[in-house]
Amino acid sequence: DAGVIQSPRHEVTEMGQEVTLRCKPISGHDYLFWYRQTMMRGLELLIYFNNNVPIDDSGMPEDRFSAKMPNASFSTLKIQPSEPRDSAVYFCASSLAGVGYNEQFFGPGTRLTVL
Amino acid sequence: GEDVEQSLFLSVREGDSSVINCTYTDSSSTYLYWYKQEPGAGLQLLTYIFSNMDMKQDQRLTVLLNKKDKHLSLRIADTQTGDSAIYFCAERTKGYGGSQGNLIFGKGTKLSVKP
Repeated sequence: DAGVIQSPRHEVTEMGQEVTLRCKPISGHDYLFWYRQTMMRGLELLIYFNNNVPIDDSGMPEDRFSAKMPNASFSTLKIQPSEPRDSAVYFCASSLAGVGYNEQFFGPGTRLTVL
Repeated sequence: GEDVEQSLFLSVREGDSSVINCTYTDSSSTYLYWYKQEPGAGLQLLTYIFSNMDMKQDQRLTVLLNKKDKHLSLRIADTQTGDSAIYFCAERTKGYGGSQGNLIFGKGTKLSVKP
């Protein structure tokens, strides 16, 4: 398996523009997580899905952020309009359901810069 | 709410042992984890420990868990320059309505290994 795939790897945009980040989880995984990493705040969970259904979106900063998972193999995180404070590395991760330690597998991340 | 604390930096000499410490707040956490992040990459699971254990050893890695003090540590024996990375401690939260729960991460400890 290719692992969790994220695109684009780097995104530079101007304030006010819409940004869409994409994620393909590992095939067969039931859970998908979106995280944001910054120097100041560390790694923050934004939202996670179980079987394509959002379970907890309490980490989504504000209404400018939205996430969807239309099917088991694809998810998007959208920021509209983007602001400079959204600059961060955004990670997607996936894991299997079931009893056990349930390792989360992380993608390589998307580095977003909002000018 | 849940919180995970760890020191931000650690510097050691090659061949020495490294000890990275972490404290967490959720006494009901079932699993605790150490993830490793190399520059420009996503996080990768290094090791984990179930909450009914107090020690786990895996080659050069030793994890110690003190549930009473809610303290977790990671010891890396014979530290190599290739071990230079950021190490994240994480605890698993309870899920909602039977779902898996998510991970709460510390801010990460940057380990620098000097030759």
